[in-house]
Amino acid sequence: DAGVIQSPRHEVTEMGQEVTLRCKPISGHDYLFWYRQTMMRGLELLIYFNNNVPIDDSGMPEDRFSAKMPNASFSTLKIQPSEPRDSAVYFCASSSPESQETQYFGPGTRLLVL
Amino acid sequence: SQKIEQNSEALNIQEGKTATLTCNYTNYSPAYLQWYRQDPGRGPVFLLLIRENEKEKRKERLKVTFDTTLKQSLFHITASQPADSATYLCAPSSAGNNRKLIWGLGTSLAVNP
Repeated sequence: DAGVIQSPRHEVTEMGQEVTLRCKPISGHDYLFWYRQTMMRGLELLIYFNNNVPIDDSGMPEDRFSAKMPNASFSTLKIQPSEPRDSAVYFCASSSPESQETQYFGPGTRLLVL
Repeated sequence: SQKIEQNSEALNIQEGKTATLTCNYTNYSPAYLQWYRQDPGRGPVFLLLIRENEKEKRKERLKVTFDTTLKQSLFHITASQPADSATYLCAPSSAGNNRKLIWGLGTSLAVNP
């Protein structure tokens, strides 16, 4: 069974450009989480969805960030316009109805904004 | 506000010894607490979950304790191996929302052969 899939794995862009990160959760999982990880702040929850509906976006840093989940197998996190301080590793994670507390993480997208 | 603290300094131990990692939380009482392992360049991987009414949980060479009076969890790896070298993250559930986790910064463990 494939785990959480994220793309791209690495992204280098220039300040002001739009960045779109993609995530495919594990099939059958009903929760999807987007995190950002930096050395200074660790893992920060940005937003999470339940059955494709955003439940809590209080962690989204500002209006430049947006996330969507059009169906159960796909989600995007968009940054527009990007800034150097957005450089971080972005993780997507999902959890199942049977094991609600445990989160399964993807490999992450390493974003560098120049 | 909810705060999580883990050993900030890296832990270096000899192979075969027991590694003990600490997680302290303040200002709330989580319903459960999880430990994850993270290797460089990869996402965290779930190891163990312990609930507030459990004192101890074991899985193979791993043991987790949860002291709600001290507001502390200890994570032990017995008979440590170089392959155990990684960063270990503590993640208690958030107050009022069992789906949200509050993450510590992690403790880096190096097991020397």
